[in-house]
Amino acid sequence: TQLLEQSPQFLSIQEGENLTVYCNSSSVFSSLQWYRQEPGEGPVLLVTVVTGGEVKKLKRLTFQFGDARKDSSLHITAAQPGDTGLYLCAGERDSSYKLIFGSGTRLLVRP
Amino acid sequence: KAGVTQTPRYLIKTRGQQVTLSCSPISGHRSVSWYQQTPGQGLQFLFEYFSETQRNKGNFPGRFSGRQFSNSRSEMNVSTLELGDSALYLCASSLEAPSSYNEQFFGPGTRLTVL
Repeated sequence: TQLLEQSPQFLSIQEGENLTVYCNSSSVFSSLQWYRQEPGEGPVLLVTVVTGGEVKKLKRLTFQFGDARKDSSLHITAAQPGDTGLYLCAGERDSSYKLIFGSGTRLLVRP
Repeated sequence: KAGVTQTPRYLIKTRGQQVTLSCSPISGHRSVSWYQQTPGQGLQFLFEYFSETQRNKGNFPGRFSGRQFSNSRSEMNVSTLELGDSALYLCASSLEAPSSYNEQFFGPGTRLTVL
């Protein structure tokens, strides 16, 4: 059983569409991170959210941390083919020296 | 500044063999974490090393082990390989412990195939 569940698992959309990816848990995390991984490469950090209710924007990407710090969402506006990749959320639990990763959402943006 | 490097990039082994994977962190980074990535289980934490000491370990059998050298380079070893050990093994480094205040940088991974 994954501690962090992501949905959907797969998403195939047309260029220009909007989408939201969810990361949910029954546990509280001190912070949540979002990564994007492309084929043949390791994950690359996109953003870290640490405060319940926090919203961060990175160009067309909007990240939100739930008020109770148990869930997070990633919203992409007007998706581009360059957004294609595996999106991973990862949570940190107090001073544990490790990150717990979600199951991942594989996104394909068709031109 | 060079990124995290992992060697080899690809490896094919047979059941019962053992394997050693290597990771060179970003210069100045003292924390190295290892992860196993498979399609079914996703990215799972193996262990984290800091200043040659293992500080945390994931839920993997004792066949998985690691070490860190004084120059922060790290190796992980898997003994008595099983088919289920086929995976992408990722190494990540950070200045201190991986956390919301210390960004973790991942290497490209070593793709291990066990036949």
